[in-house]
Amino acid sequence: QVQLQESGPGLVQPSETLSLTCTVSGGSISSYYWSWIRQPPGRGLEWIGYIYNSVSTNFNPSLKSRVTISVDTSKNQFSLKLTSVTAADTAVYYCAMAGHGQFTEFDPWGQGTLVTVSS
Amino acid sequence: QSALTQPASVSGPPGELITISCTGISSDIGDYNYVSWYQQHPGKAPKLIIYDVSNRPSGVSNRFSGSKSGNTAYLTISGLQAEDEADYYCSSYAIKTTLAVFGGGTKLTVL
Repeated sequence: QVQLQESGPGLVQPSETLSLTCTVSGGSISSYYWSWIRQPPGRGLEWIGYIYNSVSTNFNPSLKSRVTISVDTSKNQFSLKLTSVTAADTAVYYCAMAGHGQFTEFDPWGQGTLVTVSS
Repeated sequence: QSALTQPASVSGPPGELITISCTGISSDIGDYNYVSWYQQHPGKAPKLIIYDVSNRPSGVSNRFSGSKSGNTAYLTISGLQAEDEADYYCSSYAIKTTLAVFGGGTKLTVL
């Protein structure tokens, strides 16, 4: 079965760029929708965006100006870049696959990685 | 403020049946059958338990069921067990807003 694992720095300076990678095993990243979702400590979930067929992307309008999602098919990985971060971007970041067709049906998920924005 | 509205908490004794509501608007839950439900235990990633309003992924207990009426979706858990104690989130496709929207989450306590 498909498994996902997030990786990247746990601490990012304010105004810098947050960069995370999701490594996919057990399936090809060339198919399906692949999303990033975040959850601030003690709060709810927020969809950030997806990449599909390695090139097609779509983003939450509230984050669109700061987000890039890309794929490295040779490594079966996809990545998130979020620019100009502030303390409000502190959250657990999850990567997820849309395993049932519609991109909003997230299954499975990675275990999540906490990113803290602080100087 | 979340785009979908859920009760902050629900509770029930073991063996009981409970229902969690998730209210949206016509351009999300009302117009599309792309409602999903997720179970999240503390410190863990969310797990999909219902998709397309009422479908269960392989391996999910048939004690979990989903339905929809108008702009509101429902998650029903029958025969409550201690292991069901968790946070539950709904989500939906939302063509006019953020494309994918979540509810604020409901904390289920098994008494």
